[in-house]
Amino acid sequence: GQQLNQSPQSMFIQEGEDVSMNCTSSSIFNTWLWYKQDPGEGPVLLIALYKAGELTSNGRLTAQFGITRKDSFLNISASIPSDVGIYFCAGPSNSGNTPLVFGKGTRLSVIA
Amino acid sequence: NAGVTQTPKFQVLKTGQSMTLQCAQDMNHNSMYWYRQDPGMGLRLIYYSASEGTTDKGEVPNGYNVSRLNKREFSLRLESAAPSQTSVYFCASRSIRQGRYNQPQHFGDGTRLSIL
Repeated sequence: GQQLNQSPQSMFIQEGEDVSMNCTSSSIFNTWLWYKQDPGEGPVLLIALYKAGELTSNGRLTAQFGITRKDSFLNISASIPSDVGIYFCAGPSNSGNTPLVFGKGTRLSVIA
Repeated sequence: NAGVTQTPKFQVLKTGQSMTLQCAQDMNHNSMYWYRQDPGMGLRLIYYSASEGTTDKGEVPNGYNVSRLNKREFSLRLESAAPSQTSVYFCASRSIRQGRYNQPQHFGDGTRLSIL
């Protein structure tokens, strides 16, 4: 079945630094989704991407749909302590009723 | 604006006890999902219901059963709890429309289940 490889698995950064993480799939996706999970809560959607090459921002977060349609990137600029959490990429394998496929997450820690 | 509501938020069980985790969504979504989250394992799909009246196994269905009670509610049952089922359980829902862009899933805040 579909697999998503998300990297890095974890990151420790200083407050104010920029962050980059990425996700690759074993096959073509037509949608990429990025979620954030705060400690003790459920994942919340950050950004949705629907076209190859699309670049979308949400505040300090920017995500890109790779032109090969097999990868996506999430960047966080000028990190702050509340950016701490687990970031998940996700995508569907087709437009039918199959569930989304999730990466295993990137755990971000921000050192003040 | 409740979204996806899960009950209970916390539960401790003894091995062999049974329990039903409840999930309800108020977004008129047709698809609902149950995941478990363990350290380093990400989100693993247990069961899902693509539409009212249907249920399908996910990646890790053993030891669980589900019921799609109506469009709003999707419950997860542990018939005989085992320590390996200690985890955080998340319910999610999503709207699926043929020929439309893939819609994201919306998650509840989870049920933290410990089995002794």
